[in-house]
Amino acid sequence: DQQVKQNSPSLSVQEGRISILNCDYTNSMFDYFLWYKKYPAEGPTFLISISSIKDKNEDGRFTVFLNKSAKHLSLHIVPSQPGDSAVYFCAASARTSYGKLTFGQGTILTVHP
Amino acid sequence: DAMVIQNPRYQVTQFGKPVTLSCSQTLNHNVMYWYQQKSSQAPKLLFHYYDKDFNNEADTPDNFQSRRPNTSFCFLDIRSPGLGDTAMYLCATSRASGGYNEQFFGPGTRLTVL
Repeated sequence: DQQVKQNSPSLSVQEGRISILNCDYTNSMFDYFLWYKKYPAEGPTFLISISSIKDKNEDGRFTVFLNKSAKHLSLHIVPSQPGDSAVYFCAASARTSYGKLTFGQGTILTVHP
Repeated sequence: DAMVIQNPRYQVTQFGKPVTLSCSQTLNHNVMYWYQQKSSQAPKLLFHYYDKDFNNEADTPDNFQSRRPNTSFCFLDIRSPGLGDTAMYLCATSRASGGYNEQFFGPGTRLTVL
């Protein structure tokens, strides 16, 4: 039973345009959501997070939107750059779960010059 | 730079031959996690330590064990690896258990069981 799903295995975007990566979850106990970025041969690195008390969090070119009623979150990257090409993982946590993260399968983002 | 280090980066072992993967951290975090990530799948939590307290996920096979001799080091022992244990193994740390704390990951050990 996959509680966090990223339904798009890959996304291809032109440099300078917007990248939108999507994530759905099923567990209503999740109340904290994170995005991680992973380059080949490296571990995932934290990108941005959002608490369930918010519906938007912004950090530079990266914005995460949370729609609790739809159990959906998205990561917007504007403008996209070739260096953003990586695998993006959505992860979710519940306050009661000792910080355990449940990950989605990841979306491979390719930004073309 | 404070970091999470995993050794070795690549490990090849034979079916049934025990293997140990190592993780060390200079972040002085009290929680350490081990994840298994198979090809094109989500990282899956195997277990974690909160200080010396060991917490096993319900579906982690008995074949997988862990040791944390001190705050800085954590080991993953696979007693009798099977072909299905071929995967990337990721170690992560965080400052505290519970609440909202990001996890910091090492580069992973890619294990191949032949």
